[in-house]
Amino acid sequence: QLQLQESGPGQVKPSETLSLTCTVSGGSISSGSYYWGWVRQSPGEGLSWIGSIYYTGSAYYSPSLKSRVTLSVDRSKNQFYLKVTSLTAADTAVYYCARMSDGDFEAVWFGPWGRGTLVTVSS
Amino acid sequence: QSVLTQPSSVSGAPGQRVSISCSGNSSNIGADFDVHWYQQLPGTAPKLLIFANTKRPSGVADRFSGSKSGTSASLAITGLQAEDEADYYCQSYDRRLSGYVFGAGTKVTVL
Repeated sequence: QLQLQESGPGQVKPSETLSLTCTVSGGSISSGSYYWGWVRQSPGEGLSWIGSIYYTGSAYYSPSLKSRVTLSVDRSKNQFYLKVTSLTAADTAVYYCARMSDGDFEAVWFGPWGRGTLVTVSS
Repeated sequence: QSVLTQPSSVSGAPGQRVSISCSGNSSNIGADFDVHWYQQLPGTAPKLLIFANTKRPSGVADRFSGSKSGTSASLAITGLQAEDEADYYCQSYDRRLSGYVFGAGTKVTVL
C-alpha cells in the first residue's frame, strides 16, 4: 500500500526558506505516469495547490506561488521536496504531499495523501 | 476567495440525504474539466471520495455519489451517518489560473 510522509521543521522564521521532504513508501516514485504534488491548508482554511513534479524532475507550479517555490525529486531515495522562499506569516499552514492520478493533465486528482506537517512562520 | 463555491455548512439527521454543491465557471467546471471530491475527517488528511465527477474509489461507501452539470457539481450523501461528520472539498482544474483549484469546503454536521 502506497504511503507518503512529510517531514521538515515545525517552525521557520519570517523571510527564511522552508524545506520539506516527502518520503514515498510501498511503491516507487519512478513507476507509472504519476505526478507528485504538494497542497497546503492554512489554519481554518481550505486547500490550496502549490505545485507538482514528475520523477524526471519536470515540475509545474501554482502561478500565485511560482516565484517562491521550487520542487525537486531524488529517485534513489524515493523522495520529493518542496522549497518555499521569503516566508511570511501567510505561509503558516499544514503542508501535505500527495500522489496525483495519471492521465490527462487537467483531469488529475490527489490521492493518497500524507498525514501533513504543520509549519508555523514566526519569529 | 475560492474559485469553486461551496456552502459553508450543511446538516442532516441520521438516515437523511444531504447534498453539497460546487459552483464554478466557464474556465473550470464549465470548461468540461472533471470534478473530484475529498472528505477530511477532523484532524486528518483529506481522502479521495469521488473522482472524475461520479466514480468512487474502492472502499468508499455507495452512500456517496457525485454528479456534474454545466458549471456545477454536487456530492450527495444518502443514509447520513455520524461518521460522515467531516469537511468536504471539491477540486477541479482552472484554465485561466493554469492550475488545480479547490472549493473552500463544506462542513457536514449530523444532528
